[in-house]
Amino acid sequence: ETGVTQTPRHLVMGMTNKKSLKCEQHLGHNAMYWYKQSAKKPLELMFVYNFKEQTENNSVPSRFSPECPNSSHLFLHLHTLQPEDSALYLCASSQDYSTDYTQYFGPGTRLTVL
Amino acid sequence: EDQVTQSPEALRLQEGESSSLNCSYTVSGLRGLFWYRQDPGKGPEFLFTLYSAGEEKEKERLKATLTKKESFLHITAPKPEDSATYLCAVQAQGGSEKLVFGKGTKLTVNP
Repeated sequence: ETGVTQTPRHLVMGMTNKKSLKCEQHLGHNAMYWYKQSAKKPLELMFVYNFKEQTENNSVPSRFSPECPNSSHLFLHLHTLQPEDSALYLCASSQDYSTDYTQYFGPGTRLTVL
Repeated sequence: EDQVTQSPEALRLQEGESSSLNCSYTVSGLRGLFWYRQDPGKGPEFLFTLYSAGEEKEKERLKATLTKKESFLHITAPKPEDSATYLCAVQAQGGSEKLVFGKGTKLTVNP
C-alpha cells in the first residue's frame, strides 16, 4: 500500500448504529486529519492529530469521536448520527509542518445515514 | 477570518482552449497556498504548494502563480482528462495546521 488509505470506501448506517472509519498513512508523516466534504460546501476540517496528540477539534459534535493510536493510524468512531451527517469523509496526513505543510488525502469514505 | 473564494464555479472549455482559474484569499499571514485536483467520488490529489508572492510552479499543462491577494491556475491546451474539480486552500501562519478551502472550480474539457 502507498499513500493514504481509507476503509471502508462506502458505508450505509442507521441513526442508531455504531461504526468506525479507518485511515492509514504509508508516508512516514507525523500529522493526520479528518475532513468532511458535503455537497456544495468547502471541505471542513474536523480534527487534527500531531504526533498522536489531538491539536484541533473544529467544534465537531460529540457523536464523532476520533482516535489516533499511533502516527500511522487514525480512526473516526461514529454513533447516533443524523441524516445531515451524510457526506464524504476524508483523511489526510502531512510531514513535520516546519518543513513541508502539504497535506495528502486518502480516497475518502462515502457515508450515508438513513 | 480566513477566506478563500474561487471563480468561476464552473468552466467549460474545448480541447486545446487555454484558460485560467482564480483563487482569491484573505488570510492573517500566509504560510502556504495549495492547489488540488479532485475527481468525482475521490479524494483531492495534490498539485502545487506556493509559499510567497511571485512564486510560480508548473506541471505538464498546469501552471500556478501567486500574488499577495490571489492565485491563478493556468491550463494550457487542456485535454478531456483534465476535467475535474480544482480546489484551492490556504494555511495561515501561527502554528495551526488548518487548511481553509474554497468551494472549487468544476472544469469540463470537451473533445
